[in-house]
Amino acid sequence: GDSVTQTEGQVALSEEDFLTIHCNYSASGYPALFWYVQYPGEGPQFLFRASRDKEKGSSRGFEATYDKGTTSFHLRKASVQESDSAVYYCALAHNTNTGKLTFGDGTVLTVKP
Amino acid sequence: DPKIIQKPKYLVAVTGSEKILICEQYLGHNAMYWYRQSAKKPLEFMFSYSYQKLMDNQTASSRFQPQSSKKNHLDLQITALKPDDSATYFCASSQPGTGGLNQDTQYFGPGTRLLVL
Repeated sequence: GDSVTQTEGQVALSEEDFLTIHCNYSASGYPALFWYVQYPGEGPQFLFRASRDKEKGSSRGFEATYDKGTTSFHLRKASVQESDSAVYYCALAHNTNTGKLTFGDGTVLTVKP
Repeated sequence: DPKIIQKPKYLVAVTGSEKILICEQYLGHNAMYWYRQSAKKPLEFMFSYSYQKLMDNQTASSRFQPQSSKKNHLDLQITALKPDDSATYFCASSQPGTGGLNQDTQYFGPGTRLLVL
């Protein structure tokens, strides 16, 4: 079945470091891909999405580009801040058209001041 | 003001009992969903509804029953509770577009944290 793999379980950075969180997917066709962020005690918040090959999604300084060739949607940010500390989830929407989202296991980002 | 309300925020139940988790959304959306998050399985899809009709059910047990009394409500009834049901349950909603539910962006509520003893 469709799946999402996030390579990093935890990432520890200092402020102003460059962030990359790797996301690879397995699915047929062109599933919509999403990034969500979750802060402690809250529900996941939508960051951005992309639906077509080479489409770039971005929000709050974060960005990712849909790459059909490498089946990837890696999250990047040029300069992280302490307030970016949270859990980041990559997700894909199944082509079954029922709205089912499959999430990766999540990446815990900790940014030290 | 919160756009998706989930009640209660915390819930403690005894094994074998029944509970109802409430979800109301004020985003004007016509699709609603339930997800579960536990230590064992992060963010797992359970149900989806569109215009108050069931679109998908990925729960293996009939103990989980969604209830849609109004178009902006999707409650979750859980019967015969087990300790393994302990998790945080998230409601989400989206506005169906012309591309279908798989092209929608889903917005999540704050969750109900359920502990079954």
